[in-house]
Amino acid sequence: QVTLRESGPALVKPTQTLTLTCTFSGFSLSTSGMCVSWIRQPPGKALEWLALIDWDDDKYYSTSLKTRLTISKDTSKNQVVLTMTNMDPVDTATYYCARAHYGDYVGQFDYWGQGTLVTVSS
Amino acid sequence: SSELTQDPAVSVALGQTVRITCQGDSLRSYYASWYQQKPGQAPVLVIYGKNNRPSGIPDRFSGSSSGNTASLTITGAQAEDEADYYCNSRDSSGNWVFGGGTKLTVL
Repeated sequence: QVTLRESGPALVKPTQTLTLTCTFSGFSLSTSGMCVSWIRQPPGKALEWLALIDWDDDKYYSTSLKTRLTISKDTSKNQVVLTMTNMDPVDTATYYCARAHYGDYVGQFDYWGQGTLVTVSS
Repeated sequence: SSELTQDPAVSVALGQTVRITCQGDSLRSYYASWYQQKPGQAPVLVIYGKNNRPSGIPDRFSGSSSGNTASLTITGAQAEDEADYYCNSRDSSGNWVFGGGTKLTVL
């Protein structure tokens, strides 16, 4: 059974750095083809893809946010960590981690965590 | 970066067929995946690849693609299908992008 769970602070102050951890089970990120991604959703708004890390430690970032994001993995702990620097109130959102697969012409997020709401406020 | 465009809202009568579309240049090269999101819940994958349904997704959900447009069709919409639907695809630079979402109302 595949599960993912996000953890991190519920409240951060503007300019601070956010660190979120995705702890997963039911698969290994060292298995070829496996990936974990972070996606966020501001209240009442659309989903926004943030970053992805794959089994080969390749990392991909949203073009608009890449200067602020870092994604990493700890395969032994089954964890993926996302850091986002210089937080702003507009970054208030529910942050999801999701398992991903991709191939030559396809890609999908097949399992999602329940999400964690992060509020940015002084 | 790539963009995917969806109609903000669509409605369908109970038991009828509805098509939700997604447009974007990346769809000329990559298949879309589709996600259903109900209020207060995480998104759920409903269609991926050419026209694949994960286990547990009813066969009334189907997907298709032509040119720069991907479509999600619900044949015989049910009340429980009322939700927000998002398309997503990769692009050639390794980015992934979501559409703005379509709110489906079942009348």
